Parts: sequence; C-alpha cells; structure tokens
Amino acid sequence: GQQVMQIPQYQHVQEGEDFTTYCNSSTTLSNIQWYKQRPGGHPVFLIQLVKSGEVKKQKRLTFQFGEAKKNSSLHITATQTTDVGTYFCAGRTSNTGKLIFGQGTTLQVKP
Amino acid sequence: ETGVTQSPTHLIKTRGQQVTLRCSSQSGHNTVSWYQQALGQGPQFIFQYYREEENGRGNFPPRFSGLQFPNYSSELNVNALELDDSALYLCASSLGRGQFNEQYFGPGTRLTVT
Repeated sequence: GQQVMQIPQYQHVQEGEDFTTYCNSSTTLSNIQWYKQRPGGHPVFLIQLVKSGEVKKQKRLTFQFGEAKKNSSLHITATQTTDVGTYFCAGRTSNTGKLIFGQGTTLQVKP
Repeated sequence: ETGVTQSPTHLIKTRGQQVTLRCSSQSGHNTVSWYQQALGQGPQFIFQYYREEENGRGNFPPRFSGLQFPNYSSELNVNALELDDSALYLCASSLGRGQFNEQYFGPGTRLTVT
C-alpha cells in the first residue's frame, strides 16, 4: 500500500542552527500537508502544497514540494526553542480526504 | 484553538470491552475524519464521514465503526478492545470531503486498554 516515509526520526540542534526534515512517498501525491505536534498536544496544520515544484515560506519555515510530487521537505532557519515538537508530513493520492502521515521527525532544540 | 472538541480526554478500559469516543466538529465543517496515533508514530487514518455517510476507510477491522449525526458531530466505536488499541484517538474536521481540504484536529482521547 501507499507509504510516506520521513527522515530523520529525531534531530537535536543547538538554538540558532538550521533544521531540515524530508518526506518521501511511494506514489505520486495530489497534495501534501505539514503538521506540527507539540509534546502532549495534537497535530496543528502548518501548510499545504499542491503544485509540482512549489515552494512556500512562513517566516523561518520553508516548505518544498518535489517536481515529481513524490517528495517534500521542511526547512527551519535559525531554530528557536519554540520550534520544539514533532513535524509530520501527510499526503493524499486520491479524491477522498484520506491523509497518509509519515512517522514524523522530532526536533529538540538546546538553548 | 481549532474549535474541535473531543470527549472524554482520557479513558481506561479492559480488554474485551467496548468504547465510544465523541467528537464535535468546528462550526461550519461537515466532514469528520478519525485517526489512531500510537506512541511515537504518525496518525493512522481510520475512516472519514461526510454528511452522515462513510467516505473512505483505512486498514482497520470492522470492530472499529463510526457514526456522524445531522449536526456533523461524530462517534467512534471500538468493540472487543485489544491491548494494541491503546493509543491517542484524534478526530479532525474539515469543510467538504475534497482532497485539498485542510483538516483541523481536536485534542484527542487517550485510550488505555489493560
């Protein structure tokens, strides 16, 4: 079945360093979404990418969707302690609302 | 906050029992999706309801069933609970069942099966 893989599983950075998480799908996606989940919390929607090669920015966060629509990345510039949490990508391949989530990348930021 | 609420917050059940979890969607949203999130894993899609009809189902056995009411709130029922059913159960509401809809998650129900 369809799978969405994320790497790395964990990342520890010093505050101020950059961070990147990568997402790869076994099949072509119609769109991909990114979520952030704080410890003990629930996933919070960050952004959706739809077009091949799309790049979107939210302040220090940059999201990319691959040309083949099978991979995506989230890059955080100059991490802050408030960036701590688990970042999930989630993709769709069909006309239903079914989202397939990756396993997530957990980010720890040392002050 | 998203306006999606879930109850109860926490629940402890014994293996073999049945459980019902509830979700109230965000105002104006007519679609509810349910997910199971095991510790350290990403959410796994259980099923989705759109205007009271099931609209897609993940790889979960029939003992996982659901319902959506005319006010678009929803229930998740799990029969014959197993230890592996211990997880965080999340509902997410959206407007419409389309593939480009943003989903807004509730705080979840933490189910422990002993």
